[in-house]
Amino acid sequence: KAGVTQTPRYLIKTRGQQVTLSCSPISGHRSVSWYQQTPGQGLQFLFEYFSETQRNKGNFPGRFSGRQFSNSRSEMNVSTLELGDSALYLCASSLGGEGHHEQYFGPGTRLTVT
Amino acid sequence: AQSVAQPEDQVNVAEGNPLTVKCTYSVSGNPYLFWYVQYPNRGLQFLLKYITGDNLVKGSYGFEAEFNKSQTSFHLKKPSALVSDSALYFCAVRDGGTNAGKSTFGDGTTLTVKP
Repeated sequence: KAGVTQTPRYLIKTRGQQVTLSCSPISGHRSVSWYQQTPGQGLQFLFEYFSETQRNKGNFPGRFSGRQFSNSRSEMNVSTLELGDSALYLCASSLGGEGHHEQYFGPGTRLTVT
Repeated sequence: AQSVAQPEDQVNVAEGNPLTVKCTYSVSGNPYLFWYVQYPNRGLQFLLKYITGDNLVKGSYGFEAEFNKSQTSFHLKKPSALVSDSALYFCAVRDGGTNAGKSTFGDGTTLTVKP
């Protein structure tokens, strides 16, 4: 099976702009989670989607939003970008059922905000 | 609230020696525990998990981890380290009480295996 894919891999944006990141999970996986990884804060949970519904959300401002489509692909949007949003954004998919919570991560999207 | 602590930022071992990367956790319900590894410029890879059953779980690349409920620990181990094991290792916990739980990751431990 193909792994988790994320597009784009690298992105440079200016403060105040908005950005959309895309994630395609492993075929058959219904759960998609997003994480922000930075050297100072480590891996921070953003949100999880399962069957097009947001199941859980981390402690991020409302500028961070996401959605999941019927084919389980997911997008994450960040509006009004700030310098502190520069990070590696990781998408992870899992089967999502009972006992199947191990996650398979994509390579990430490196976002730089200038 | 759930949390994970990896008390060592860095672990150095010689090739062929056993290695241990430590992890302790806190969660209100039953813990689902995971270890992931991140190689440079790559995403995280799943190594192993504890959901229920035997306290010693075996995973990829010869790694294993021991779940200790009384000490709330889930240390990662390998009997004989390889130079190629050098990477960043993350421990994660999820509340098994609900499918809607989120995974909380530790800050990571950099493992360096010297020839």
